[in-house]
Amino acid sequence: DVKVTQSSRYLVKRTGEKVFLECVQDMDHENMFWYRQDPGLGLRLIYFSYDVKMKEKGDIPEGYSVSREKKERFSLILESASTNQTSMYLCASSLGLDGEQFFGPGTRLTVL
Amino acid sequence: LAKTTQPISMDSYEGQEVNITCSHNNIATNDYITWYQQFPSQGPRFIIQGYKTKVTNEVASLFIPADRKSSTLSLPRVSLSDTAVYYCLVARMDSSYKLIFGSGTRLLVRP
Repeated sequence: DVKVTQSSRYLVKRTGEKVFLECVQDMDHENMFWYRQDPGLGLRLIYFSYDVKMKEKGDIPEGYSVSREKKERFSLILESASTNQTSMYLCASSLGLDGEQFFGPGTRLTVL
Repeated sequence: LAKTTQPISMDSYEGQEVNITCSHNNIATNDYITWYQQFPSQGPRFIIQGYKTKVTNEVASLFIPADRKSSTLSLPRVSLSDTAVYYCLVARMDSSYKLIFGSGTRLLVRP
């Protein structure tokens, strides 16, 4: 059974903290994605990666960075967390960029 | 990239066919359409994908008219377990890769 796991289901951080969200997939997929999901806004793409050490900005990259040192792992980094980054963060992976994306369960981040 | 618009919510009863339409007026030639289903506390799950005309799989059908400015997800004979949020996604793969999700349609299936 294909699987995308995220390091935490719930996370509470303080303004200004550096936050790491980890995502691991076991399907040997080339592509990995980070989204945030907010009520009424659907899913918005933050960053994606199509290969190890390769990354591309999505629609809302400001305030975020990513790291992909290994094929199976894609990390989202909030350099200095702010309250407007309180959200649900979803990671996904896919074999092809035009293919089905497999999502993790999400991390609900609260920044106080 | 095409902005996607979906109804916020829909109600149905068990056994009925449900059609959820997504508008994407500015869709381009190379854009393709995908639908996802999301249950509470879970990530979205792929339902179906299409480019034009009609696509059918074991759980749903996707109708895309010739002008491709909208798409309709059709769920035959829904059950209570189909209560979920449904998202349409328009994606472009050319010199820039763009993904635009709709804001989702909350489907409630009643007994």
